Amino acid sequence: GNSVTQMEGPVTLSEEAFLTINCTYTATGYPSLFWYVQYPGEGLQLLLKATKADDKGSNKGFEATYRKETTSFHLEKGSVQVSDSAVYFCALSSSGGSNYKLTFGKGTLLTVNP
Amino acid sequence: GAVVSQHPSWVICKSGTSVKIECRSLDFQATTMFWYRQFPKQSLMLMATSNEGSKATYEQGVEKDKFLINHASLTLSTLTVTSAHPEDSSFYICSAREDRGRVTDTQYFGPGTRLTVL
Repeated sequence: GNSVTQMEGPVTLSEEAFLTINCTYTATGYPSLFWYVQYPGEGLQLLLKATKADDKGSNKGFEATYRKETTSFHLEKGSVQVSDSAVYFCALSSSGGSNYKLTFGKGTLLTVNP
Repeated sequence: GAVVSQHPSWVICKSGTSVKIECRSLDFQATTMFWYRQFPKQSLMLMATSNEGSKATYEQGVEKDKFLINHASLTLSTLTVTSAHPEDSSFYICSAREDRGRVTDTQYFGPGTRLTVL
């Protein structure tokens, strides 16, 4: 079956530090890949996505590249801010049937200190 | 665009009562909506897939008679937790998949509903 493995947190960084959150996946077919962010007490917000190999998703300074050869979709940001503190979820969308269910990783808590 | 709302945002109820949670897509039509449950500091667990005009598809281990789902229109799905017990206390999140008449697989999430059963 499908699965997503992301680095366990928590991750604590100082403001302006470089961020990498690793994510690897196992899936049949050609899934779409996503990063979602969850701020405290809120639902999930789509951060970025990529739908095919070598695509790069980007948003708000965050980037992730769909690497089929390494089955990875690592999240990166060159300079984090305190406001980036949140839980980040890597996910894939299975294309079985027409419902496109999401499979989530366990989430990585990021804390950015001033 | 692509905003999903949930109501209520939080609810406290007595054990044995039923609670209804609404999920609405505000600016798009959603043939398919999903209901998730999230425990503290854990990932989201898919409970069921809700399809407009048909019965919901429940994930293994989810009691369909306890978690009633109705998707009566293209913009509204409801989850009713029947005869709630303290172990049902959780954060319930819905999502909606935008339907533009072509294949698209992005889900947009609601802000969640915190249910506490006393």
